[in-house]
Amino acid sequence: NAGVTQTPKFQVLKTGQSMTLQCAQDMNHNSMYWYRQDPGMGLRLIYYSASEGTTDKGEVPNGYNVSRLNKREFSLRLESAAPSQTSVYFCASRASGIYNEQFFGPGTRLTVL
Amino acid sequence: SQELEQSPQSLIVQEGKNLTINCTSSKTLYGLYWYKQKYGEGLIFLMMLQKGGEEKSHEKITAKLDEKKQQSSLHITASQPSHAGIYLCGAVIRQLTFGSGTQLTVLP
Repeated sequence: NAGVTQTPKFQVLKTGQSMTLQCAQDMNHNSMYWYRQDPGMGLRLIYYSASEGTTDKGEVPNGYNVSRLNKREFSLRLESAAPSQTSVYFCASRASGIYNEQFFGPGTRLTVL
Repeated sequence: SQELEQSPQSLIVQEGKNLTINCTSSKTLYGLYWYKQKYGEGLIFLMMLQKGGEEKSHEKITAKLDEKKQQSSLHITASQPSHAGIYLCGAVIRQLTFGSGTQLTVLP
């Protein structure tokens, strides 16, 4: 099992450019998540998908859109990147149930100039 | 997230010393996760506590959950350089919410 995979690992954008971060999991998990991590802020939830076909806003959704393409894949799109979106982005997945471990991808380091 | 407060924010200890990291929730805890992150890498699951009073250990790392205080503590005994990294607590409040992390440095 590859677990949770993310592409790309690094990306540099100019302000106003758009891009999509890809995430896939091979553990047959229902729930998938997108977080951003900034120094001193911990992990903040951007969007999540509790099951295929559903998506919900997290703590910091502004400036982002998501698509749960199928059970395996959950993408995060930045339509018009801003310097405030410079961050490390993590995708995660979890089986249904409140006490199940959340598995994380390796992260995407995004810089917006 | 302000719903989960971690302390201290950073910690520098000499190798061999014991240390404790705390995580306090402003809401009822239904489960508390501890993760470790090395710089530039993803999160590694350490352990999960479900019930008040529960205590779990993994090698030299022990975590306890105090449901009444809505708090968990992570204790490392005889720290080693391999323990260095960022420790994050997470709790299911609405969705899995994380504290801001504790940066641990262990000096050889």
